Amino acid sequence: QITLKESGPTLVKPTQTLTLTCTLSGLSVSTRGVGVGWIRQPPGKALEWLAVIYWDDDKRYSPSLKSRLTITKDTSKNQVVLTMTNMDPVDTATYYCAHRAYYDRSGLDYWGQGTLVTVSS
Amino acid sequence: DIQMTQSPSTLSAFVGDRVTITCRASQSVSNWLAWYQQKPGKAPKLLISLASNLESGVPSRFSGSGSGTEFTLTISSLQPDDFATYYCQQYNVYPWTFGQGTKVEAK
Repeated sequence: QITLKESGPTLVKPTQTLTLTCTLSGLSVSTRGVGVGWIRQPPGKALEWLAVIYWDDDKRYSPSLKSRLTITKDTSKNQVVLTMTNMDPVDTATYYCAHRAYYDRSGLDYWGQGTLVTVSS
Repeated sequence: DIQMTQSPSTLSAFVGDRVTITCRASQSVSNWLAWYQQKPGKAPKLLISLASNLESGVPSRFSGSGSGTEFTLTISSLQPDDFATYYCQQYNVYPWTFGQGTKVEAK
């Protein structure tokens, strides 16, 4: 059974850096074809893709947020970490991590439950 | 960025109705198009990949079609469990982009 789970702070102050961790079980971040992406959703709004990292360490970012984002993976812990700098209240959202099977050509087939991050002083 | 536009934004329907949601891309995405269902407080659930491939376990009343810039998601006979918000997403090119969502509500 494949599961993903996000963890991190629920409240951050403006200008601080957010660090979110996605812990995978049932599959390895280093297995050929595995991709893990981050998607966020402000309250009552649509989904927004942020970044993705693949098994071979290929990384892609949303151009509008690229300067603030870093995605990495820790194969020893089977985790994917997203950092976002200079947080602002508009970054308040539920942050999801999700799996993509690159060679299956599928969409994002397994999602974490999401974690709500509030940016406020 | 490729813009994905869904219509309608809200759809009111009865149980048993045939429901169709449209997703248009600002440029061709070939068939690299996914559909998701999201219920309040829950993560999105992948329904369809590659425009028309039904994911395992998804009821056959859901179907997808289209290619290039115009796509549709059809629910052949709406069930009570289908009231939710639906999103399309292109994954042909980066950045991946989502539509703004279509809320299917009870009439």
